[in-house]
Amino acid sequence: EVQLVQSGAEVKKPGESLKISCKGSGYSFTSYWIGWVRQMPGKGLEWMGIIYPGDSDTRYSPSFQGQVTISADKSISTAYLQWSSLKASDTAMYYCARGPYYDILTGYPVAPLPFDYWGQGTLVTVSS
Amino acid sequence: SYELTQPPSVSVSPGQTARITCSGDALPKQYAYWYQQKPGQAPVLVIYKDSERPSGIPERFSGSSSGTTVTLTISGVQAEDEADYYCQSADSSGTLGVFGGGTKLTVL
Repeated sequence: EVQLVQSGAEVKKPGESLKISCKGSGYSFTSYWIGWVRQMPGKGLEWMGIIYPGDSDTRYSPSFQGQVTISADKSISTAYLQWSSLKASDTAMYYCARGPYYDILTGYPVAPLPFDYWGQGTLVTVSS
Repeated sequence: SYELTQPPSVSVSPGQTARITCSGDALPKQYAYWYQQKPGQAPVLVIYKDSERPSGIPERFSGSSSGTTVTLTISGVQAEDEADYYCQSADSSGTLGVFGGGTKLTVL
């Protein structure tokens, strides 16, 4: 059974750093893209970025480039989303989700979509 | 930046047909995907590659594409279908994802 299990809720102060995690199981972690999605309170889904753990190829939405860092440790089948200096506007639910199987030899599919399995979400609250 | 446009809300009575549209300039060249999200839950993929249905998704959910618009159709809407629905596709570069703004489906 494919599962993505995310780390627990966090309460932080502005300016603090944070790294949240997403552990995959039940599938070949290095063969599928894994992405991050933000959902601010009462708002819609935002595609933040995605990583291919097989070779750490990482892509960011222009809206999130330079604001967060996505990484993965394939030895423990875990992806990460981190901030170096949180802002109150980072308060949101963050979901990780599995993207498609990626054939590294053919480079297919080009677009790392869709997300077929989702984590339970990690609520990040940033408040002074 | 690239955008997908959805109506904020759609309302239908039980048993009727709901149609939710999503518009974007790159949709003729990129597949669209649809997700259902109920309050307090993670999204669920209900349509992939414009019109394919994942296993376990009821047959009343279908998708179609025409030019720059894709449509999620829910036939014979049930109360349990009340949720937010999001379209997703790739941006104009074809290498990044983007979500539409979401549509709240209300079952009257």
